[in-house]
Amino acid sequence: GQQVMQIPQYQHVQEGEDFTTYCNSSTTLSNIQWYKQRPGGHPVFLIQLVKSGEVKKQKRLTFQFGEAKKNSSLHITATQTTDVGTYFCAGPREDSGYSTLTFGKGTMLLVSP
Amino acid sequence: KAGVTQTPRYLIKTRGQQVTLSCSPISGHRSVSWYQQTPGQGLQFLFEYFSETQRNKGNFPGRFSGRQFSNSRSEMNVSTLELGDSALYLCASRAGGTQYFGPGTRLTVL
Repeated sequence: GQQVMQIPQYQHVQEGEDFTTYCNSSTTLSNIQWYKQRPGGHPVFLIQLVKSGEVKKQKRLTFQFGEAKKNSSLHITATQTTDVGTYFCAGPREDSGYSTLTFGKGTMLLVSP
Repeated sequence: KAGVTQTPRYLIKTRGQQVTLSCSPISGHRSVSWYQQTPGQGLQFLFEYFSETQRNKGNFPGRFSGRQFSNSRSEMNVSTLELGDSALYLCASRAGGTQYFGPGTRLTVL
């Protein structure tokens, strides 16, 4: 079945350092979404990428969708302690008519001051 | 608009019992999905309801069931609880392709 994989599983950085998480799908995706879950919280939608090669920025966050629409990345420049949490990528499930999502297992980011 | 709400927020049950969780989607959202989140397996899709009909189902045993009411509120039920059912159960309502998650119900099975 469709699988979405993320690396790394965990990363610990010093405040001010950059961070990148990578997402790979076993199938071509119509779009890819990114969510952030703070410790003790629930996933919150960050962004959706639709076009091949698309790059979107949200302040210090840069999201990319690969040319083949099977991979994506999230890069955070100059991390802050508020960036702590788990970042998930997700793609539409083919077997659901694309109405539900397959999530990667997430990358947990810890930022030390 | 108010967000997705879930009740109760925390539950402690013992093996063999059953449990019912409730979810109220964002007003106007007709699609409700349920996910199970555990440290080992991550977020796993349980089922999706739309207009009171189960539209999609994940790979969970029949002990997991759900329903949706005419006001789009949804419930999920887990019967004959097992220790491995301990998890955070998240409900999400959908607008377009985006899922809006509720705060979840933390279920602990002893």
